[in-house]
Amino acid sequence: IAGITQAPTSQILAAGRRMTLRCTQDMRHNAMYWYRQDLGLGLRLIHYSNTAGTTGKGEVPDGYSVSRANTDDFPLTLASAVPSQTSVYFCASSPQSGQGKETQYFGPGTRLLVL
Amino acid sequence: KQEVTQIPAALSVPEGENLVLNCSFTDSAIYNLQWFRQDPGKGLTSLLLIQSSQREQTSGRLNASLDKSSGRSTLYIAASQPGDSATYLCAVRDSGNTPLVFGKGTRLSVIA
Repeated sequence: IAGITQAPTSQILAAGRRMTLRCTQDMRHNAMYWYRQDLGLGLRLIHYSNTAGTTGKGEVPDGYSVSRANTDDFPLTLASAVPSQTSVYFCASSPQSGQGKETQYFGPGTRLLVL
Repeated sequence: KQEVTQIPAALSVPEGENLVLNCSFTDSAIYNLQWFRQDPGKGLTSLLLIQSSQREQTSGRLNASLDKSSGRSTLYIAASQPGDSATYLCAVRDSGNTPLVFGKGTRLSVIA
């Protein structure tokens, strides 16, 4: 089934621990994104990548890092988790055709609790 | 910096009613606009995408319009059903290689 997979589905993490959230898409989309969603704050962009080998910072990048070694995978790493990083994390992807039709697709999310 | 606003934050309507959800954006030079639906505890599902050159898009009971000059989009839902209960998010893309900027959504409840 084509789409975006995220792992883990949920995680409880001790503060100070390192954690990598995984995201894989099989639609061969050029662009991939990481958002966090918090009650009252909506969806906020953490990092993005327009193509393999490039990444960019979003609205709330501090405390997070990403890499884009290939088209399909876009992992998000929390080097040293803090309680304020408790959130639901969504990975997304979209093609870049230059035709204005680039629909963005989302994964099911990872629920992270940092204690 | 593009900002997207959705009003109201929450809406409750009786089943069968036609309704309109509103979205406004500050920079009218957009590339496209997308409406999403999010069910509780789930990811986002794309409903409609309107290209900057288009005025509206339709899918079943849903119709989305775009007025770039006034920085507004509306999502019209006809003959609402309890299954339409969800949060609806509007997002705009400023160019082909920039990420979507999201509004905070409107939480819709359709009461049977």
